[in-house]
Amino acid sequence: EVQLVESGGGLVQSGGSLRLSCAASGFSFSAYSMDWVRQAPGRGLEWVSHIGVSGTPTYYADSVKGRFTISRDNAKSSLSLQMNSLRAEDTALYYCVRDWTANNSPTFDLWGQGTLVTVSS
Amino acid sequence: QSVLTQPPSASGTPGQRVTISCSGTSSNIGSNTVNWFQQLPGTAPTLLIYSDNQRPSGVPDRFSGSKSGTSASLAISGLQSEDEADYYCATWDDTLNGWVFGGGTKLTVL
Repeated sequence: EVQLVESGGGLVQSGGSLRLSCAASGFSFSAYSMDWVRQAPGRGLEWVSHIGVSGTPTYYADSVKGRFTISRDNAKSSLSLQMNSLRAEDTALYYCVRDWTANNSPTFDLWGQGTLVTVSS
Repeated sequence: QSVLTQPPSASGTPGQRVTISCSGTSSNIGSNTVNWFQQLPGTAPTLLIYSDNQRPSGVPDRFSGSKSGTSASLAISGLQSEDEADYYCATWDDTLNGWVFGGGTKLTVL
């Protein structure tokens, strides 16, 4: 089955760190760029970070730049997000997303179920 | 405040046609293709429309997308109760060097 399964979420104090993981299965992980997208409780979707097929390029939303680091291990079909200096406004459900490009048009064609990060102040 | 502007809500009765707008700028919608995502209550988003107007396999042809200049639209015809969901537009922004989303539109089927 083609799927993305996130893990690593939890409750952390403001200023703390957390590492999210995403396990991919059922498709050739190394052939796809990947992203993290988050959704605060009761709010809309917010893109967080992108990583290319070989680990570059990487891009970050201004709201997390300098605090979050995206990485991947193609041998293990896994994606990670290291989150440092966490703030209350980082509280959200974090989705692992497959980035697919069709005819030069990128899109997010596969989403995980998300892992919840709660930052207490 | 989202980079792409969507109406917060929309509604229609079963069988009706509704449209949801998404407004951007020359650095995002004006330069890149638009995607639409559907998020049913309590679930993860799913891809509804990509490349402005393309439907992934499995998406009913009641859903259609269009784009003109720096604006895009999602149309849903023959509205059904199961269409009640949140809808988001998204595209790449060349100035921000990142993806941008609309704030989402909550569709209610009356």
